[in-house]
Amino acid sequence: DIVLTQSPATLSLSPGERATLSCRASQSVSNYLAWYQQQPGQAPRLLIYDASNRATGIPARFTGSGSGADFTLTISGLEPEDFAIYYCQQRSIWPLTFGQGTRLEIK
Amino acid sequence: QVQLVESGGGVVQPGGSLRVSCEASGFSLSNYGMHWVRQAPGKGLEWVAFIYYDGSKKYYTDSVKGRFTFSRDNSKNTLSLQMNSLRVEDTAVYYCAKQFAIGSNSFDSWGQGTLVTVSS
Repeated sequence: DIVLTQSPATLSLSPGERATLSCRASQSVSNYLAWYQQQPGQAPRLLIYDASNRATGIPARFTGSGSGADFTLTISGLEPEDFAIYYCQQRSIWPLTFGQGTRLEIK
Repeated sequence: QVQLVESGGGVVQPGGSLRVSCEASGFSLSNYGMHWVRQAPGKGLEWVAFIYYDGSKKYYTDSVKGRFTFSRDNSKNTLSLQMNSLRVEDTAVYYCAKQFAIGSNSFDSWGQGTLVTVSS
């Protein structure tokens, strides 16, 4: 199975700052990587698909980049509603797998 | 708009069975593959199962193979996950999730989830 390792586990920032979240795969997943945001008590929401494409309705401050085994989610100008848990997910090889998540918290 | 509504969760003893369902609306279910994703309390996300748009193929994570069965009825816009021989480690919120596009297994719509608790 492909293991996705997210870092850092927790990121403490203030509103208005830039967040950089990393996802590293145990082998190449090409560009078949997605990012999700999950608020407490809610279902996840798709942010980015295929490494760099924003899903419908996702603000431009969310940017995905990378290919192969190294990926980054950048959130420019953090808004209060951005503080949540973020997961990456690969769809290159079955079984589909998720990273363990990065918690973005208010500093 | 797309809506997915899960039901059927509850408390079951280890070794028992439970069937959870997902009712889909707001899109043509017969055009999309569908998934189940679960989340144990306080833990991360785990993909569980996938079914092709027409039900012709299914995939499962290893830990549920032979115990869980994913089925669909496109005429009734419903999906079901039959869970047998349940284990304590199957305790989780089970989400029904829609495939982004045929051949693209990101999850672009999710239900609110249904909690399955396996406990004696």
